Amino acid sequence: AQSVTQLDSQVPVFEEAPVELRCNYSSSVSVYLFWYVQYPNQGLQLLLKYLSGSTLVKGINGFEAEFNKSQTSFHLRKPSVHISDTAEYFCAVSDTGGFKTIFGAGTRLFVKA
Amino acid sequence: DSGVTQTPKHLITATGQRVTLRCSPRSGDLSVYWYQQSLDQGLQFLIQYYNGEERAKGNILERFSAQQFPDLHSELNLSSLELGDSALYFCASSSMPGASDSPLHFGNGTRLTVT
Repeated sequence: AQSVTQLDSQVPVFEEAPVELRCNYSSSVSVYLFWYVQYPNQGLQLLLKYLSGSTLVKGINGFEAEFNKSQTSFHLRKPSVHISDTAEYFCAVSDTGGFKTIFGAGTRLFVKA
Repeated sequence: DSGVTQTPKHLITATGQRVTLRCSPRSGDLSVYWYQQSLDQGLQFLIQYYNGEERAKGNILERFSAQQFPDLHSELNLSSLELGDSALYFCASSSMPGASDSPLHFGNGTRLTVT
């Protein structure tokens, strides 16, 4: 069975500072990895995904994530955040050929002026 | 706009009652997923349908049931409601029969409050 652990429930950061949201997963099979963002009163939107190939994945809104197989991690980063990045971020995993996408508990990013 | 429509947006009901949540997937998507989001449990996978057939089941209670109709819309039925069922219920759709590499497209959710 797969599981996803987001190591921080809340991350406060000042505007224009860099941020890293941490995600670790466990799975006995190959996986696909995703980051989704949820703005207030909205559903989740895909930020980026890792399927195969280059371990550095670039997504929308200047976010990127790095897949590290040896550490089973998929951390999300942004070099300079904006107030508008305030939202909840979810790391998710699905096994290749499976039917479920499992989500982490979420990390609330709060960007302060 | 994800293209996934959920109705109603808000639902307030009493314990013991039964409600139906409705979801229309994005045009062309054959898979529908239901998730429950609560403060203490996070985003929990409930059930998935592909082209009318149940494909995967998660942490769905026996009091809950779902189906996907020939026009591909889906309904989630919650019965004998308890206070703990209060949550945000999301529907998501994708083009693939399984989770695979296809991302999920989420609706804006139905907020259920059980009083």
